[in-house]
Amino acid sequence: QVVLTQAPSASASLGASVKLTCTLSSGHSSYAIAWHQQQPEKGPRYLIKLNSDGSHRKGDGIPDRFSGSSSGAERYLTISSLQSEDEADYYCQTWGTGFVVFGGGTKLTVL
Amino acid sequence: QVQLVESGGGVVQPGRSLRLSCAASGFTFNNYAIHWVRQAPGKGLEWVAVISYDGNNKYYADSVKGRFTISRDNSKNTLYLQLNSLTGEDTAVYYCARPFKDYSISSEQDFDYWGQGALVTVSS
Repeated sequence: QVVLTQAPSASASLGASVKLTCTLSSGHSSYAIAWHQQQPEKGPRYLIKLNSDGSHRKGDGIPDRFSGSSSGAERYLTISSLQSEDEADYYCQTWGTGFVVFGGGTKLTVL
Repeated sequence: QVQLVESGGGVVQPGRSLRLSCAASGFTFNNYAIHWVRQAPGKGLEWVAVISYDGNNKYYADSVKGRFTISRDNSKNTLYLQLNSLTGEDTAVYYCARPFKDYSISSEQDFDYWGQGALVTVSS
């Protein structure tokens, strides 16, 4: 079964950029993933889907500040020009026939 | 616009049952598989179950298999989750979520729309 690994926390300054990482388990580097944002006390919001070749699809209304990239088994979410409302939990998600898997989430603090 | 609205949450005693609903609008409901995802207090997201667009295929997480049942009524644009034999570990906010790809239960199951969630608290 595929496993997604995320760092529990990250931090960056207001106006700076941050790169979050989601790592696919061994043997699953071809999987696509999606990134979701969950602000405090809110439901998740879809950000972007990333394929292994780096191609991607963004959710409706997602600002250009959010971008994604891939390298091997790693999938990245880069947030530029950090704003206070970007302080949230970020989850990666992948899937197959009959299952969906989430990473443990990364809590992003904007300093 | 796409909307998913959960209802039916509440406080229930251990061992009892509860049924959640998810009312869909803004898209052709019977073209899409729909998933349930839950989040225990202070924890991460956990996938629960999925049902195919026509209701013929259903899959469950091991943690709920045999206790929870997913179903849908396409005439009412509504998804259901029957929760039986509840324990404290089932306390969570339950979300319904729609995947990007229609007519599929396996490809492009990235969740591009989520509901606001329904809180289920299992407590005596």
